[in-house]
Amino acid sequence: QKEVEQDPGPLSVPEGAIVSLNCTYSNSAFQYFMWYRQYSRKGPELLMYTYSSGNKEDGRFTAQVDKSSKYISLFIRDSQPSDSATYLCATYNFGNEKLTFGTGTRLTIIP
Amino acid sequence: GAGVSQSPSNKVTEKGKDVELRCDPISGHTALYWYRQSLGQGLEFLIYFQGNSAPDKSGLPSDRFSAERTGGSVSTLTIQRTQQEDSAVYLCASSFTGEREQFFGPGTRLTVL
Repeated sequence: QKEVEQDPGPLSVPEGAIVSLNCTYSNSAFQYFMWYRQYSRKGPELLMYTYSSGNKEDGRFTAQVDKSSKYISLFIRDSQPSDSATYLCATYNFGNEKLTFGTGTRLTIIP
Repeated sequence: GAGVSQSPSNKVTEKGKDVELRCDPISGHTALYWYRQSLGQGLEFLIYFQGNSAPDKSGLPSDRFSAERTGGSVSTLTIQRTQQEDSAVYLCASSFTGEREQFFGPGTRLTVL
């Protein structure tokens, strides 16, 4: 079993829709949870991160962590074609400074 | 300032040949990471450098893989006797020590024929 599981998709939604991307993780020691966005032929870039359980909002993006169920979510409101990318969830381990990634979900926003 | 750069951007090689991949981290970043990204597999951790030393080599898939970092800056990842299963995008990232955010380069796309 992978430490971080993510549905690879692909996921296609119409412009303006709300997008929900999800991951589960197995190691209860993880405390930082991150979302990276990766455009085609580019390296991943950090979108946002949360610490422990709770929500964090940044513009149209909301990251949510539920540590009791080991569930990580990213919501995108008013989705735009420019949001089309692969979204990777990741957990950060302070002990070895290692990021553990999910497989990524490929998202397409249809104009 | 400049971001993380990697070279070459693409590399096609024949099975059995050695390849060297280069990473130039962001100036001043003390930590450097190598990852491998295969289709449908996500990012797989390979090795981590703190300065010039590698405290965590646990992700290197076999002894054909090695990496070094010199001057606390440039790093090279070497794959000897390449195999077709080595075909992937190799990504490098850098950060300040203890910082959660890692900054990624564009990757080197390796194809082994």
